[in-house]
Amino acid sequence: DTGVSQDPRHKITKRGQNVTFRCDPISEHNRLYWYRQTLGQGPEFLTYFQNEAQLEKSRLLSDRFSAERPKGSFSTLEIQRTEQGDSAMYLCASSSIRLNTEAFFGQGTRLTVV
Amino acid sequence: DAKTTQPTSMDCAEGRAANLPCNHSTISGNEYVYWYRQIHSQGPQYIIHGLKNNETNEMASLIITEDRKSSTLILPHATLRDTAVYYCIVRGQYSGAGSYQLTFGKGTKLSVIP
Repeated sequence: DTGVSQDPRHKITKRGQNVTFRCDPISEHNRLYWYRQTLGQGPEFLTYFQNEAQLEKSRLLSDRFSAERPKGSFSTLEIQRTEQGDSAMYLCASSSIRLNTEAFFGQGTRLTVV
Repeated sequence: DAKTTQPTSMDCAEGRAANLPCNHSTISGNEYVYWYRQIHSQGPQYIIHGLKNNETNEMASLIITEDRKSSTLILPHATLRDTAVYYCIVRGQYSGAGSYQLTFGKGTKLSVIP
């Protein structure tokens, strides 16, 4: 499968724990995006990378949220000290400027904070 | 990015054409109209986009009015698998300011009925 891959697909965690999600973009896609989607709403942009550079992070919801893409390939999204309000679907997408592609989304990671 | 307005929900009989409207009266000259859809529990899927000419691909057709203030996505022969939430999004060009972000609204929930 050459699509965007996210892991895990589902995560249940206790309030106050840290969680980390991984996203593997489509090969050769230099842009990588993170979105959050709560029930009944459309996806909400969080941050994006162009290669390894995080070019926009002002939309990250709080300083508990951080993202990395150390080698310009896969990315991780970490949420520290999770709260019940963090329960949502976290979506990753990738695109290529050079190949002039649209954003392709992964299946998402559904987080439940109990 | 310009805001869009879509009906909350629509029904369509299987095998008939589904016509999904979108208003984007504040669209600017260099902004494109994009359509994505999201089938339950999956990530959003790109459908089509256009600037001012009508566009067609293997999935759908996009009709943009001459004044560009509204558009219609047409699924020519809807099937049960087309049941999804359809998002109309206005966005700048790939490399332009803000081009990295897709701003999703709540979309239109299309139900294809047998």
